[in-house]
Amino acid sequence: DQQVKQNSPSLSVQEGRISILNCDYTNSMFDYFLWYKKYPAEGPTFLISISSIKDKNEDGRFTVFLNKSAKHLSLHIVPSQPGDSAVYFCAASSRSTLGRLYFGRGTQLTVWP
Amino acid sequence: DGGITQSPKYLFRKEGQNVTLSCEQNLNHDAMYWYRQDPGQGLRLIYYSQIVNDFQKGDIAEGYSVSREKKESFPLTVTSAQKNPTAFYLCASSIRSQPIYEQYFGPGTRLTVT
Repeated sequence: DQQVKQNSPSLSVQEGRISILNCDYTNSMFDYFLWYKKYPAEGPTFLISISSIKDKNEDGRFTVFLNKSAKHLSLHIVPSQPGDSAVYFCAASSRSTLGRLYFGRGTQLTVWP
Repeated sequence: DGGITQSPKYLFRKEGQNVTLSCEQNLNHDAMYWYRQDPGQGLRLIYYSQIVNDFQKGDIAEGYSVSREKKESFPLTVTSAQKNPTAFYLCASSIRSQPIYEQYFGPGTRLTVT
């Protein structure tokens, strides 16, 4: 059973606009959430994370929002750039799972000029 | 340069043969992980190791085996018992097996079994 869900397999956004990628989780024990970015035939690279004690974390153009009551998080990219085109994976973890990451299926973001 | 090395990038095997995928890291990380990615799927955990000479099964360990004899190495063997071995395999490592420590991924090995 998928504990981390990314219900949108793809998202297309014009350059300069905001990209919003969504993620839902079912396990209330998760207390740490991460976003990874992946290009074809490469390993994922870490993008940004958030602890459950926060509801927002910002790093440059990337902001992650966490809504614990809704078990939902989102990644905002502003402004979007063509180089942001990649697959974005949401992942969740907890102290009780010893750092194991549970991944969603990913969302393919395409940023067009 | 510090990082994770996976070799080879592409691997072809005949059905019924065991094959071992290499993963080496020079980041001095204690924890190492093996994931599998299939088209349209997220990354699924096969095995992980928190420390040398110790490892645990992940969600899809059947048909796979690992060893962790050295801190920097965590090879994965895909045995003939794995029913659908064709996939993209990713190795990762982190300083410790705690959520706050991000996992660094290698470039992956694409295994094709025919």
